[in-house]
Amino acid sequence: SQTIHQWPATLVQPVGSPLSLECTVEGTSNPNLYWYRQAAGRGLQLLFYSVGIGQISSEVPQNLSASRPQDRQFILSSKKLLLSDSGFYLCAWSLSKNTEAFFGQGTRLTVV
Amino acid sequence: GENVEQHPSTLSVQEGDSAVIKCTYSDSASNYFPWYKQELGKRPQLIIDIRSNVGEKKDQRIAVTLNKTAKHFSLHITETQPEDSAVYFCAARGYSGGGADGLTFGKGTHLIIQP
Repeated sequence: SQTIHQWPATLVQPVGSPLSLECTVEGTSNPNLYWYRQAAGRGLQLLFYSVGIGQISSEVPQNLSASRPQDRQFILSSKKLLLSDSGFYLCAWSLSKNTEAFFGQGTRLTVV
Repeated sequence: GENVEQHPSTLSVQEGDSAVIKCTYSDSASNYFPWYKQELGKRPQLIIDIRSNVGEKKDQRIAVTLNKTAKHFSLHITETQPEDSAVYFCAARGYSGGGADGLTFGKGTHLIIQP
């Protein structure tokens, strides 16, 4: 069966520090991969999606970036965190556009 | 792009009563509409979904209806139970001819089941 792993679960980082969140999927090949952000008490905002290795599309301009160095690995990064980057970050995968998205357990990021 | 509006933001119902959450979408080409349930501090999990070739779908106490003409879809939970308390998100996925566009989510409804 397919599983998705996301780490770390919680992270406290100072303003201006770098960020690297990692997500891996097991049990499937060539998944569509996504990064979402959920601010406190708000909905899910799509940040990036990827259809294959090295292929990244950005939905929202920001100081974050994403990379897909391997088929089942998706990384969210920042060179310098802002206070406004605090939130709950969720990685997700799906088989295609019209099938459900499966979410990782999320990373709660607090920028201080 | 797609825009999804969800109402209400908070819904409180007595245990055993029904709950209805409504969403509208803007892109008439959208063809996939999932609903997710998110408990506090946990990941969203799919509870039911519907595709644009279907008007209604039911799974035990949960049902979803879709009105393509009006571009709205609703979640219905009957005989609510305390474990139904959570935040519920609707979402829509449009068709852009290619790519893996992510789902556009509503802002969520905090459902509270009163004992």
